[in-house]
Amino acid sequence: DQQVKQNSPSLSVQEGRISILNCDYTNSMFDYFLWYKKYPAEGPTFLISISSIKDKNEDGRFTVFLNKSAKHLSLHIVPSQPGDSAVYFCAASLGTASKLTFGTGTRLQVTL
Amino acid sequence: DTAVSQTPKYLVTQMGNDKSIKCEQNLGHDTMYWYKQDSKKFLKIMFSYNNKELIINETVPNRFSPKSPDKAHLNLHINSLELGDSAVYFCASSNRGWDLPYNEQFFGPGTRLTVL
Repeated sequence: DQQVKQNSPSLSVQEGRISILNCDYTNSMFDYFLWYKKYPAEGPTFLISISSIKDKNEDGRFTVFLNKSAKHLSLHIVPSQPGDSAVYFCAASLGTASKLTFGTGTRLQVTL
Repeated sequence: DTAVSQTPKYLVTQMGNDKSIKCEQNLGHDTMYWYKQDSKKFLKIMFSYNNKELIINETVPNRFSPKSPDKAHLNLHINSLELGDSAVYFCASSNRGWDLPYNEQFFGPGTRLTVL
């Protein structure tokens, strides 16, 4: 049973445009959500997070939006840059419990 | 100065063999994890240790045995390797502070295990 889903396996965006990556979850008990970025042959690196009590968190070019009623979150990257090309994983956490539940990832390709 | 390191980076072995993967973190974290990323790219938690104590043990065959000699190390030993064990194994660490709002985990580069 996959509790965190990323339904788009890949996304291609032109440099300078907005990239929108989506994530859906089924467990309403999740109270923290994180986005990780992964380059080939490297481990995932933390990008940005959001608490379930908020609906938006912004950090530079990256903004995460949370819609609790729809159990949906999205990551916006504006403007997209070629260095943003990577696989992006959405993850959910149950408070300070150690377990992170990951989605299957979306491969973002930013083209020139 | 790598924060979370794993050895080896690649491991190719025959079915039935026993192998170990080592993980070390120099971040001073108190919690370490093993994740498995299979061919479908699912990244799933296997084990978690806090201060050398096992706190998460997902449904993993008992051929997999984690060992934490100290807070900075978490090794994964796999007995009687099977074809289905082929995957990328990631080690991670974090501070499991009860006053922290979330659990940011720092990942190692991964170990690609291929069982022939």
